[in-house]
Amino acid sequence: DIQMTQSPSSLSASVGDRVTITCRASQSINTYLHWYQQKPGKAPDLLIYAASNLQRGVPSRFSGSGSETDFTLTISSLQPEDFATYYCQQSYRTPHSFGQGTKLEIK
Amino acid sequence: QVQLQESGPGLVKPSETLSLTCSVSGVSISTYYWAWIRQPAGKGLEWIGQIFNNATNYNPSLKSRVSMSVDTSKNQFSLKVRSVTAADTAVYYCARVDYFWFDPWGQGMLVIVSS
Repeated sequence: DIQMTQSPSSLSASVGDRVTITCRASQSINTYLHWYQQKPGKAPDLLIYAASNLQRGVPSRFSGSGSETDFTLTISSLQPEDFATYYCQQSYRTPHSFGQGTKLEIK
Repeated sequence: QVQLQESGPGLVKPSETLSLTCSVSGVSISTYYWAWIRQPAGKGLEWIGQIFNNATNYNPSLKSRVSMSVDTSKNQFSLKVRSVTAADTAVYYCARVDYFWFDPWGQGMLVIVSS
């Protein structure tokens, strides 16, 4: 199985900060890597698909990059609505797997 | 606009079978793969499996206890998990598999395994 490891597990930041979350795969997954945002009590929402493609309707302050084993999600200027938990997910091989999540909190 | 909604019992006794249904609107269920994903309270996401028409792919960690099916006449798909224990307590989500990612998701359904 492919293991996905996110870092950090939690992060405190302020509105307006630039934030980067990292996701590492235990083996190469090409760009079969996707990012989701989950707010408390809600289902995850797709932010970025195939490593770097912004889902329709997602603000342009979100961006993704990477390939093979190392990927990043960047929020260029944090807004109050961005405080949430973020998950990466690989779909290169089943079982599809998620990172453990990164909780982004207000400093 | 594609929408998904989970339904089923919110309480299941240990050793019994958990059964959930996902109702899909806005698209024909025959057009896409459909997935089940679960999340124990305060924990991360686990892919349970997915189905396309009646071709299935399950997580090996659950494969011996899981089955999925599609009802095209009702535009629904279903999940069964047999012989449940407290470890199966979670919020269960259904989702569309759009190419290789999950979008959209249902709102989720909390299932508690308890006597």
